[in-house]
Amino acid sequence: DGGITQSPKYLFRKEGQNVTLSCEQNLNHDAMYWYRQDPGQGLRLIYYSQIVNDFQKGDIAEGYSVSREKKESFPLTVTSAQKNPTAFYLCASSIGQGLRQPQHFGDGTRLSIL
Amino acid sequence: GESVGLHLPTLSVQEGDNSIINCAYSNSASDYFIWYKQESGKGPQFIIDIRSNMDKRQGQRVTVLLNKTVKHLSLQIAATQPGDSAVYFCAENIGGTYKYIFGTGTRLKVLA
Repeated sequence: DGGITQSPKYLFRKEGQNVTLSCEQNLNHDAMYWYRQDPGQGLRLIYYSQIVNDFQKGDIAEGYSVSREKKESFPLTVTSAQKNPTAFYLCASSIGQGLRQPQHFGDGTRLSIL
Repeated sequence: GESVGLHLPTLSVQEGDNSIINCAYSNSASDYFIWYKQESGKGPQFIIDIRSNMDKRQGQRVTVLLNKTVKHLSLQIAATQPGDSAVYFCAENIGGTYKYIFGTGTRLKVLA
């Protein structure tokens, strides 16, 4: 079955530590996204990528970094510069920009501070 | 664990009744709209979408209505079932760009 796989489901970060969240898709989608979900707020865009080896900052990119070396993979690193990392992180993909197609989401990674 | 808002508006309906969930969107330039369902601890699941050249679109047990005059979107669920209990939120997209704006959501509780 095609879909988006995020891992791990739960992640704990120590102070000063960088952690990386994995996102893999086998939908052959060009575009991939990372969102942060906090209680009482809509999803907020961290980074997005329209094509391999290219990515753009979203609304809340500070303290995060990404890479897009392969079409199917879009890992997110939460750096020590992100002072409030506790949240539910969602990865999404879509066929491509400009096609008015829905985004498909993974089942998220919950990040907490130790 | 809870992954969405603890203080979302809640709609409680009896099993078998119809549900109507509303959403006000923000940008008059938005021309594509999506409804998602999110269960606790899971990612959002696509339900139905609609483009701005339509007023209504029907799926299996769900209907989306779009009123561009007042920038309002609604999701109707027919014969609501216990499995429909979740948080529902809308998303708007502007001209097929990368930018999707997500609502905060409504929690639907189905009473047996």
